[in-house]
Amino acid sequence: AQSVTQLDSQVPVFEEAPVELRCNYSSSVSVYLFWYVQYPNQGLQLLLKYLSGSTLVKGINGFEAEFNKSQTSFHLRKPSVHISDTAEYFCAVGRGATNKLIFGTGTLLAVQP
Amino acid sequence: EADIYQTPRYLVIGTGKKITLECSQTMGHDKMYWYQQDPGMELHLIHYSYGVNSTEKGDLSSESTVSRIRTEHFPLTLESARPSHTSQYLCASSNTGEAQPQHFGDGTRLSIL
Repeated sequence: AQSVTQLDSQVPVFEEAPVELRCNYSSSVSVYLFWYVQYPNQGLQLLLKYLSGSTLVKGINGFEAEFNKSQTSFHLRKPSVHISDTAEYFCAVGRGATNKLIFGTGTLLAVQP
Repeated sequence: EADIYQTPRYLVIGTGKKITLECSQTMGHDKMYWYQQDPGMELHLIHYSYGVNSTEKGDLSSESTVSRIRTEHFPLTLESARPSHTSQYLCASSNTGEAQPQHFGDGTRLSIL
């Protein structure tokens, strides 16, 4: 069975500081992984995805994530955050050709001035 | 701009009423999904459709039902709303093929009094 763990429910950070949001997954088969962002009162927007190939994936808004198979992790990073990055971030693992996703519980990134 | 639309955005209604949440997409995607999301929690898949006239229940048991008569339309119905149905409902769609990302609507926030 597949699962996703986001250990940090909330990450406070000051503006222009770097940030890392952690995501660990478990799966007995090859996976594909996503990071989504959800702004208040909106749906989810795709930040980036990993299917195969280079383990460093670049996404929108200056975010990137690194796939680490040995540690079963897919952490999201940004070198310098802005107030506008304040949102809920969800990590998700995909299941085969159905494209069904299993989501983590989300991490609230709270950027302070 | 959104290619997947959900209406209404907000709905407050009394117990026992029949409710239909609308979801439409203009991308021609075969696969569509309904998720339930409670505040601060992960998304739970409640319904999934492979294509027209093909639907199945998701991971989380739900008293709601869905239909898929047209590719672009995937409405969700509650025959008799109860306070336990209060939640946010998110609709998504994806293209056919492995690792295709899901595109989300802005959601319907439902409150049953």
